[in-house]
Parts: sequence; C-alpha cells; structure tokens
Amino acid sequence: SAVISQKPSRDICQRGTSLTIQCQVDSQVTMMFWYRQQPGQSLTLIATANQGSEATYESGFVIDKFPISRPNLTFSTLTVSNMSPEDSSIYLCSVERGGNTIYFGEGSWLTVV
Amino acid sequence: LAKTTQPISMDSYEGQEVNITCSHNNIATNDYITWYQQFPSQGPRFIIQGYKTKVTNEVASLFIPADRKSSTLSLPRVSLSDTAVYYCLVGDTGGFKTIFGAGTRLFVKA
Repeated sequence: SAVISQKPSRDICQRGTSLTIQCQVDSQVTMMFWYRQQPGQSLTLIATANQGSEATYESGFVIDKFPISRPNLTFSTLTVSNMSPEDSSIYLCSVERGGNTIYFGEGSWLTVV
Repeated sequence: LAKTTQPISMDSYEGQEVNITCSHNNIATNDYITWYQQFPSQGPRFIIQGYKTKVTNEVASLFIPADRKSSTLSLPRVSLSDTAVYYCLVGDTGGFKTIFGAGTRLFVKA
C-alpha cells in the first residue's frame, strides 16, 4: 500500500480565489494522478503528473484552471484557479503501486462560496 | 479501456452475504479487475484485485468466470459499516487513466 497525505483536508474558499492542494507520498512514485469528485458523483480524472515534465490533462480540464506541479518523486500540487461554486468538490491525489493498483489520499474537500 | 457496468444501488441486511456483479464485455487480455470501496468524504480504498477464477482476502472474495466478461465481488456477512459505494475498475496499466464508472451504492440495514 501507500501512505498519501493531502492538505488541506477541507477548506471554504471565496469565489474568484485560488487554492493549492498538496499531495505527499511516503515513497517515490513515477506517476501521480489528480481526480475530482463532485457531490454525489463518481471520480473524474483531471490529469496525470510526471516528475520533470508537464502534466497531461484529460478532456475538459485545462492547465490554466488546474495548474499542477511535480517537483520531485514524492510530491505534487494541484491548484484550483479562479474558483466558482461549480468547483466545489473533493479533489483526490492517487498513485500507482503494485503494478495494477492505485491508492488514494483522503481527499481535499473544497466548498466555494 | 474497458467500460464497466454495475447496478446503481443495492440494499441488504446485516449478516447477509452481498454479491455485486460488474460487466466488462470489452476486457483486454492484459487487464486486471480491481474493486474499491468508498465511504462518504473519504478517498476510495482498495478491496481486492484479480485476473481470473477466484481471489479471496480477509475482506472479500472476487469471482471471475472463464470468459472474464464479468466479475462478482462477494462481501460475507455485511455489517452497517459496509454501507459505501463500491467501484469496479478494469485496466492493465495501473493508474494510467483509470476511469471510474458510477459505482454501486450498497446500503446495509439493521
């Protein structure tokens, strides 16, 4: 398994502001993934973050809105920019471990008011 | 990527065995089948993974028929704390573009 820590766990944000979510893993990993889960919905992959290169975004997500950093093999950040109420979601960091298994952090619950 | 189909919701009572079936007709030769459990306001938690036949761990069993076009997660003697959403995922490259379906909401009643 993997120990994945996310900060903040919860936050209430003002419309128009930006918030950066941090993800720390207990050991080095090649790939880190960011998901969004809107209330009552399933998880949607935002992007894949590789160390040393730009993140790869899924359809419907853009770098200007969700900039991602991956400065080393154990850490990544996701910024939610210019937030609106529609961005109120749980944001989840995950990593692959054991070949075919992904592990998730506990998530960061953002409420935009 | 193989698409998965699960029942939207299921109800059960404490002490019963619960079987949740997932269809994945387009599963590829290298794909594994993985199930996750998610409680409200928490990240998904790995339950079990298999490739074929039957896999059992301390939490659940996973049954996969020979054609691998479906799989069944079996939870023995559920309790109230097993109320959660259960996701079936199919893929061959771990976290690469793992796509979540809608999942199955299991509600366990007393």
